[in-house]
Amino acid sequence: DAGVIQSPRHEVTEMGQEVTLRCKPISGHDYLFWYRQTMMRGLELLIYFNNNVPIDDSGMPEDRFSAKMPNASFSTLKIQPSEPRDSAVYFCASSSNREDTEAFFGQGTRLTVV
Amino acid sequence: EDQVTQSPEALRLQEGESSSLNCSYTVSGLRGLFWYRQDPGKGPEFLFTLYSAGEEKEKERLKATLTKKESFLHITAPKPEDSATYLCAVRSSGGSYIPTFGRGTSLIVHP
Repeated sequence: DAGVIQSPRHEVTEMGQEVTLRCKPISGHDYLFWYRQTMMRGLELLIYFNNNVPIDDSGMPEDRFSAKMPNASFSTLKIQPSEPRDSAVYFCASSSNREDTEAFFGQGTRLTVV
Repeated sequence: EDQVTQSPEALRLQEGESSSLNCSYTVSGLRGLFWYRQDPGKGPEFLFTLYSAGEEKEKERLKATLTKKESFLHITAPKPEDSATYLCAVRSSGGSYIPTFGRGTSLIVHP
C-alpha cells in the first residue's frame, strides 16, 4: 500500500477563496482523522470518521470548515471562505478498526492564505 | 479528557551523548501509547506502540518504556540523522479512542 495520500502538497490561496484538501486513506482502514498542525498549537484534531460516518467534529474551528467522506477511499476538508489564520499544515491520518492501533499519517498539505 | 505533556520542548545533544525524552499522560483507560518521529516538511512517522506498564520496545538506537503515568524514549549514542521532532500520543476509552498528541520534543544532534 502506498500509505495515506494527500493532495495537494502545497496550496497558496487568497483570503476569501474556497480551499479543498483531499485524502485517500490506507485501504481497509476504518478510522480517518483530519489534524491541523501549527507552531503555536501543535497537532489539533479537527474531525474524525469511523466507517465513513463523522463521529466527532468538535475540533472544527468554525462553520467555514466542513469535511466529507463519501466512500471508504476518499475524504475532503473544505474551507470556505479561507482566512489568513487558517494557514497551517493539514494532515490526514487513518487507522484500522481496532481502537488500540497506531494511526498512519499522510505527508500533509501546507496551506498558505494571503 | 486525555492529556499528554512532553518534555523537554527542545533538546540539543552531541553525537554519542545518550539522553531520554519524557511523555507524561493522563487518560481514562489507556488503549495504547504511541511514539512518532516527524522530520521537517513531512508527516509523523510511526515508531512504537506500548500497551501496558512495564512494556519496552526497541528499534536501533531508540528504546521506549512505559509506566502507569509516563513513557520515556531513550536515545543511546545518537547520530545527527536522529535529529527530528518526537511526538507522543495516546488512545483511550475516555477519549473515544481519538489519538491525542503531545506538543513534541525537538531533538538536534550535533556531529
